[in-house]
Amino acid sequence: GNSVTQMEGPVTLSEEAFLTINCTYTATGYPSLFWYVQYPGEGLQLLLKATKADDKGSNKGFEATYRKETTSFHLEKGSVQVSDSAVYFCALRSYGGATNKLIFGTGTLLAVQP
Amino acid sequence: DADVTQTPRNRITKTGKRIMLECSQTKGHDRMYWYRQDPGLGLRLIYYSFDVKDINKGEISDGYSVSRQAQAKFSLSLESAIPNQTALYFCATSETGTAGQPQHFGDGTRLSIL
Repeated sequence: GNSVTQMEGPVTLSEEAFLTINCTYTATGYPSLFWYVQYPGEGLQLLLKATKADDKGSNKGFEATYRKETTSFHLEKGSVQVSDSAVYFCALRSYGGATNKLIFGTGTLLAVQP
Repeated sequence: DADVTQTPRNRITKTGKRIMLECSQTKGHDRMYWYRQDPGLGLRLIYYSFDVKDINKGEISDGYSVSRQAQAKFSLSLESAIPNQTALYFCATSETGTAGQPQHFGDGTRLSIL
């Protein structure tokens, strides 16, 4: 079945450090891939997405590239800020079938220190 | 105003009580979902609905029921709450379409069962 594996947290960084949160997936066919962010006390918000191989999703300085050969969708940011502290979820949805469900990873807590 | 509104935001109740969590949306989306979030487990799908007449079980539906009262309203019920249903519950919506359509989340209901 479809699944998403992302690195366990917490990830603790100093402000302006480089961020990578790893995400790999298992899926049949050609899934769409997403990163969601959850700030404290809030629901999940879509951060970025990619719908086909080699697509790069980007938003708010974050980027992730859909790598079919390595079944990965790692999240990166060149210089994190304290305001980026949140939980980040990688997710996939496969084409076809009746469910159109999102499959989520377990989430990675990012803590950025000033 | 929030596009996806969940009520209540917080609820503490006792074992055996019946609880209803409500979700309403102004996005005009046909598809609605209920998830629960537990530490270390990510989000797990409880129920989903593709339109008013279509209700489907997710991966963890036991102990829960839902009602889709209108396109804009989707409620989740715990008929006889038990402590292991203590969790953060999220409602989400999405448009009908390709797998690239993102889901839009409410801010969650924190439910504690004593």
